[in-house]
Amino acid sequence: DQQVKQNSPSLSVQEGRISILNCDYTNSMFDYFLWYKKYPAEGPTFLISISSIKDKNEDGRFTVFLNKSAKHLSLHIVPSQPGDSAVYFCAARESADSWGKFQFGAGTQVVVTP
Amino acid sequence: NAGVTQTPKFRVLKTGQSMTLLCAQDMNHEYMYWYRQDPGMGLRLIHYSVGEGTTAKGEVPDGYNVSRLKKQNFLLGLESAAPSQTSVYFCASSGDFFGTDTQYFGPGTRLTVL
Repeated sequence: DQQVKQNSPSLSVQEGRISILNCDYTNSMFDYFLWYKKYPAEGPTFLISISSIKDKNEDGRFTVFLNKSAKHLSLHIVPSQPGDSAVYFCAARESADSWGKFQFGAGTQVVVTP
Repeated sequence: NAGVTQTPKFRVLKTGQSMTLLCAQDMNHEYMYWYRQDPGMGLRLIHYSVGEGTTAKGEVPDGYNVSRLKKQNFLLGLESAAPSQTSVYFCASSGDFFGTDTQYFGPGTRLTVL
């Protein structure tokens, strides 16, 4: 049973517009969340994180929002650029769990069009 | 500084054959992981290691074995490959489970079992 779900397998957005990627989780004990970006034939690379003590974290064009009551997080990319075309994974963990293993969503393929 | 490397990049096996996937990291990380990625499933943890000489089961360990004889290497073995093990395998390492450190991924190994 997947505890982290990304219900949109793909997203197409025009260059310069906002990309919004969504992620839902079922385990209320999750307290640390990450977004990874993955290009074809490469491994995922870390993008941005958020702890459950915050509801927003910003890094340049990337902002992650966390709504704990809804068990929902989202990643906003503003403005979207062609180089943002990739698969984005959200991941979550329960810090109290031994060794802090992450649960990953299935990913969202983002295509930024000119 | 190569980060995390994986050998081989591609492999085709016949059912019942065995093979070993090698992961190496040069960041002096304590923690190493093996994941598999299947369409629509995200990354699922197979086995992990919290230090040289230690290994533990993840979410989907059946059919796999691992060894961590040296801190920098983490080996994943398939003793008798099955078509269900056709997947992309990612190795990752991290320096700190309980802080804000992330996992650094290798480029992946694409395995096909016929």
